[in-house]
Amino acid sequence: QQQVKQSPQSLIVQKGGIPIINCAYENTAFDYFPWYQQFPGKGPALLIAIRPDVSEKKEGRFTISFNKSAKQFSLHIMDSQPGDSATYFCAARKPFLHETSGSRLTFGEGTQLTVNP
Amino acid sequence: DTAVSQTPKYLVTQMGNDKSIKCEQNLGHDTMYWYKQDSKKFLKIMFSYNNKELIINETVPNRFSPKSPDKAHLNLHINSLELGDSAVYFCASSSWGYEQFFGPGTRLTVL
Repeated sequence: QQQVKQSPQSLIVQKGGIPIINCAYENTAFDYFPWYQQFPGKGPALLIAIRPDVSEKKEGRFTISFNKSAKQFSLHIMDSQPGDSATYFCAARKPFLHETSGSRLTFGEGTQLTVNP
Repeated sequence: DTAVSQTPKYLVTQMGNDKSIKCEQNLGHDTMYWYKQDSKKFLKIMFSYNNKELIINETVPNRFSPKSPDKAHLNLHINSLELGDSAVYFCASSSWGYEQFFGPGTRLTVL
């Protein structure tokens, strides 16, 4: 059962374009929605994240839009650059028991983004 | 200075062998994780330990056995390796914050 669905699977844009990656989730117990960026041969790294009580968050050229009622969120990359070419994963967090730290992240399937010069 | 480190980076072995992957974090976190990334790049949680206690144990063959000797280390031992075990395995750690920090990965190839 895939609880976080991500689309598109791959995306090619020209430099300066605005790629948009979409995710949808099912479980209303999720309390935090991060996006991870992964370059070839590297581990995923946190890019930006949002909590469900906020509809939008911007960090530099990266923006998350969040629609709680639709259970959807998306990543927008403004003025995209060839260096943004990577695989992007959305995720949704469900905390462990309140006595313990840590949480379960459920990842989307990933989007391979290519930004052509 | 590496936050989450894994060894080895590459592991090539024959079917039926037993192998281990080691993970160490120097962030002072008390929760550590193992993820498997398959050939389609899908990331799936396998195990999680909090203060050396197993918290998450997904539907993973019992040939896979995690061991956490202390809060800073989480190792993964795999018995009787199969072709389908070929993947990239990532270790991660987190604390009371929300972010999980990932290691660089171990690419396991079973021949």
